[in-house]
Amino acid sequence: GENVEQHPSTLSVQEGDSAVIKCTYSDSASNYFPWYKQELGKRPQLIIDIRSNVGEKKDQRIAVTLNKTAKHFSLHITETQPEDSAVYFCAASKFAGGGNKLTFGTGTQLKVEL
Amino acid sequence: DTAVSQTPKYLVTQMGNDKSIKCEQNLGHDTMYWYKQDSKKFLKIMFSYNNKELIINETVPNRFSPKSPDKAHLNLHINSLELGDSAVYFCASSQAGLAYEQYFGPGTRLTVT
Repeated sequence: GENVEQHPSTLSVQEGDSAVIKCTYSDSASNYFPWYKQELGKRPQLIIDIRSNVGEKKDQRIAVTLNKTAKHFSLHITETQPEDSAVYFCAASKFAGGGNKLTFGTGTQLKVEL
Repeated sequence: DTAVSQTPKYLVTQMGNDKSIKCEQNLGHDTMYWYKQDSKKFLKIMFSYNNKELIINETVPNRFSPKSPDKAHLNLHINSLELGDSAVYFCASSQAGLAYEQYFGPGTRLTVT
């Protein structure tokens, strides 16, 4: 089955700096890669996603890159703000009979310090 | 206008008991999921239903039994609860097909004592 590794497990940056979180996946059949943000005590929420036929996607301060050959993808957050502090999860997915079987990474605790 | 709701929000029970968690979505989605998030925050899929049909059944003890009475509801029943079942259980839903966002419910924190 799919295995997703995520690094780093914790990341501390100064407000205004950039943050980068990296993930690798094992199943070359995976073709959808979402990123979820989970604030303390809250539900995971999608912040950005990318399909396998796209190499990069950007949404304001957030961007995701995908290298299918190397089977890795990354989340980039620029101009970080205190409200970016949360746990971020990458995931890899392939279609499974009507739904997406998401395999999550182990999460990155991002702390943005003033 | 809650999209995905779960009840109860908290559940404290003793080992050996049987409990259920209910999930409802009003998004008109065909596919629903159950995830378990353990104490280390690791999120793992347990089950998925598409239009009331079980499509994903991960390696989960058979003490866990999902049930989907209709495509807007997905319940999780757990028999003979064990200490290791303590976790946060999230329900989610999405449109059928690849690359559709999964919307998560608020979670149910289960504590087994």
